[in-house]
Amino acid sequence: ETGVTQTPRHLVMGMTNKKSLKCEQHLGHNAMYWYKQSAKKPLELMFVYNFKEQTENNSVPSRFSPECPNSSHLFLHLHTLQPEDSALYLCASSQGQGTGNTIYFGEGSWLTVV
Amino acid sequence: KNQVEQSPQSLIILEGKNCTLQCNYTVSPFSNLRWYKQDTGRGPVSLTIMTFSENTKSNGRYTATLDADTKQSSLHITASQLSDSASYICVVSFNTGGFKTIFGAGTRLFVKA
Repeated sequence: ETGVTQTPRHLVMGMTNKKSLKCEQHLGHNAMYWYKQSAKKPLELMFVYNFKEQTENNSVPSRFSPECPNSSHLFLHLHTLQPEDSALYLCASSQGQGTGNTIYFGEGSWLTVV
Repeated sequence: KNQVEQSPQSLIILEGKNCTLQCNYTVSPFSNLRWYKQDTGRGPVSLTIMTFSENTKSNGRYTATLDADTKQSSLHITASQLSDSASYICVVSFNTGGFKTIFGAGTRLFVKA
């Protein structure tokens, strides 16, 4: 148990569906992240939030829409996805956004787009 | 270009044997380097973190080394166990006025009985 909880663990959705991934951290951290992990590729940073404010968006397509209502919760809203968006989506948190802070990952949400 | 390369891509060893995984990076200016372990279907878990001035850091049977001059790091696993089967990811952070982290593609380790 890392203190970062993601739901659902598995999601299958059609290309016209709208779904959301949820992440909650119980570590009292201020920074939260969304990463995408595709097969045999390095983790790709998608979004960073620090104290609820988005501080980084790595040119992610608009069909992925993040939401951070508070420092403990992070959502990733999914709409009109493509099959190539199928991947493991990892949420993470850290005390601060500085490079000296260890990043704690959730167990991930496996997304399959059909 | 800032890059992190890991080798080998995959490795098979017998239980009880030692192994060493490599990480080369071209990141600058360097801040720190972490090794993560990722079990199949789960999130990565931090094993070690090293800054510029640290050469070696251990965490149980895991020992990481860092040569900041040659920009190389290694993760040595001693007396491997079946539970060591996982992906090991090298992560390098650097300061360019903002938070930047680059993940390596990982080494997939299989430990066989």
